Amino acid sequence: QVQLQESGPGLAKPSETLSLTCTVSGGSVTRESDYWSWIRQPPGKGLEWIGYIYYSGATHYNPSLRGRVTISVDTSKNQFSLKLTSVSAADTAVYYCARQVATSSQANYYLDQWGQGTLVTVSS
Amino acid sequence: QSVLTQPPSVSGAPGQRVTISCTGSSSNIGAGYDVHWYQQLPGGAPKLLVYVDNNRPSGVPDRFSASRSGASASLAITGLQSEDEADYYCQSFDNSLKSYVFGPGTRVTVL
Repeated sequence: QVQLQESGPGLAKPSETLSLTCTVSGGSVTRESDYWSWIRQPPGKGLEWIGYIYYSGATHYNPSLRGRVTISVDTSKNQFSLKLTSVSAADTAVYYCARQVATSSQANYYLDQWGQGTLVTVSS
Repeated sequence: QSVLTQPPSVSGAPGQRVTISCTGSSSNIGAGYDVHWYQQLPGGAPKLLVYVDNNRPSGVPDRFSASRSGASASLAITGLQSEDEADYYCQSFDNSLKSYVFGPGTRVTVL
């Protein structure tokens, strides 16, 4: 069974860049049917999809975050990463990485394996 | 504000049946995009509960079932158990936003 584990600083300063890495074990990020996603959840609130990457490097981002978010993949390390620039208190959240499974249509992909999440607080 | 609407909370006694609605529009559920459901236990990460409308991953009991009609979908839990106390989220795709979207979540309480 694929397992995902987020890692990175738990604190980011306003206007700086938030950086997180997700390490995948029990499977490969190069499996053709899989996309690798980031989702976040502000404290006490709901889920927001941030974006995904395919092992080829192809990405799809939530337009509400476009311009601030970059997702990259390192197939040699079986990891993928998130960078979010110009952060503010509104970006304080638990960040989850997850596997997004391809189906017949890109619009119908679903998230079948999730990491445990990591809290990132934006504060000076 | 989410483009998918869910009731904030539902409750039921052990053994009862509860349903959670997920209402969208012509740009998401009504457009025919699949609906998926996730369960988030207190303090835990979301877990896939039902995918592609009404398929359950291995290990998910058949007490959980989903359906859809028009621009809405619903999740039913039959034989409600104390361990079902959790937040439940629906998810689909919105072609106006060009993004995967979640409902705001529904808290299920077992009385």
